[in-house]
Amino acid sequence: DQQVKQNSPSLSVQEGRISILNCDYTNSMFDYFLWYKKYPAEGPTFLISISSIKDKNEDGRFTVFLNKSAKHLSLHIVPSQPGDSAVYFCAASASGSARQLTFGSGTQLTVLP
Amino acid sequence: EAGVTQFPSHSVIEKGQTVTLRCDPISGHDNLYWYRRVMGKEIKFLLHFVKESKQDESGMPNNRFLAERTGGTYSTLKVQPAELEDSGVYFCASRSNGYGYTFGSGTRLTVV
Repeated sequence: DQQVKQNSPSLSVQEGRISILNCDYTNSMFDYFLWYKKYPAEGPTFLISISSIKDKNEDGRFTVFLNKSAKHLSLHIVPSQPGDSAVYFCAASASGSARQLTFGSGTQLTVLP
Repeated sequence: EAGVTQFPSHSVIEKGQTVTLRCDPISGHDNLYWYRRVMGKEIKFLLHFVKESKQDESGMPNNRFLAERTGGTYSTLKVQPAELEDSGVYFCASRSNGYGYTFGSGTRLTVV
């Protein structure tokens, strides 16, 4: 029973366009959400996060949106660059769980030059 | 600041053998986690140490897996005896008191 789902295993986008990666969750106790990027043969690296008290967080080209009523979050990358090609993982945690992360299965983003 | 170091980076062992994975967290990080990614699926939690104490080991698959954290510093994860389904990438991560995790590069374990 996956509590965090990324339903698109892959996404291809043209360089310069917007990349939108989606994530759904089922556990209403989750109150903190993170996106990680992973290159081959490397560990996940933190990209951006959002607390459940917010609905948007921006950091440069990256914006995360949270819709709590729909239990949905998305990551927008604008403009997309070839170096953004990687696997993106959505993760969630709940307070009181010692910040254990529950991950989705990842979305492979390919940005085409 | 040195990152989280894991070794070996790759390990190929036969079914029934024993393998020990090691993780050196960022110095001063009390929280240490082990995660595993199997067959390109989601990254799953295995266990969590606070200093040398196991805080939560609810994700450990079975008693063939044994984790230790000596003196609250480095940690080892032993699989004995290894089975085919144990193949995957094992990630270690450490965290201080905030939300930020730092992951190691992982150990790719292949059981043949």
